[in-house]
Amino acid sequence: TQLLEQSPQFLSIQEGENLTVYCNSSSVFSSLQWYRQEPGEGPVLLVTVVTGGEVKKLKRLTFQFGDARKDSSLHITAAQPGDTGLYLCAGADSRGGADGLTFGKGTHLIIQP
Amino acid sequence: NAGVTQTPKFQVLKTGQSMTLQCAQDMNHEYMSWYRQDPGMGLRLIHYSVGAGITDQGEVPNGYNVSRSTTEDFPLRLLSAAPSQTSVYFCASSSLGGKGTEAFFGQGTRLTVV
Repeated sequence: TQLLEQSPQFLSIQEGENLTVYCNSSSVFSSLQWYRQEPGEGPVLLVTVVTGGEVKKLKRLTFQFGDARKDSSLHITAAQPGDTGLYLCAGADSRGGADGLTFGKGTHLIIQP
Repeated sequence: NAGVTQTPKFQVLKTGQSMTLQCAQDMNHEYMSWYRQDPGMGLRLIHYSVGAGITDQGEVPNGYNVSRSTTEDFPLRLLSAAPSQTSVYFCASSSLGGKGTEAFFGQGTRLTVV
């Protein structure tokens, strides 16, 4: 069974601070996805990283896939209250798709004004 | 665009009752799946389907049945509800795009079993 460990589980910081969320596994994944979930809604995809060492930027969010494709990180620069939410990492096996995802338990992020 | 539609949004059941959670997608996706989300447990796969007529078990299938008679619909049936099945249920779909394929989720069904 593939497992994904996310840390921290909870994070509350002030607006304008920087933060990093980690997603680690002992297994190799074909790709790794990051989702954001707001209360009462389903997860929404932020980014997919496929190649070991890959870095992707989405405005103030920077995503990195580890060289060995076992871990990933999400870095947020100058966090805003609108970044508040549950961040989930999900590892995909070679099939990809909605059936082949292994989710971490998530990081609850609160950005205080 | 509708995307993935789940009904109902909220449901309360008594122990032993049965019910069906509905899921429909209008994106012509081959893959569909059901997850449950519990505090501190993340999203866990219940059942999935890679196409009409094909279903398989995920990580936590006990107490649930599924069928996939059409590409669009993937209902989840609770045979005899138990308090342990109190959870938020999400349906997801995706295309056969291979690795890195995005999963699209519905808004969820919050189920309470008393």
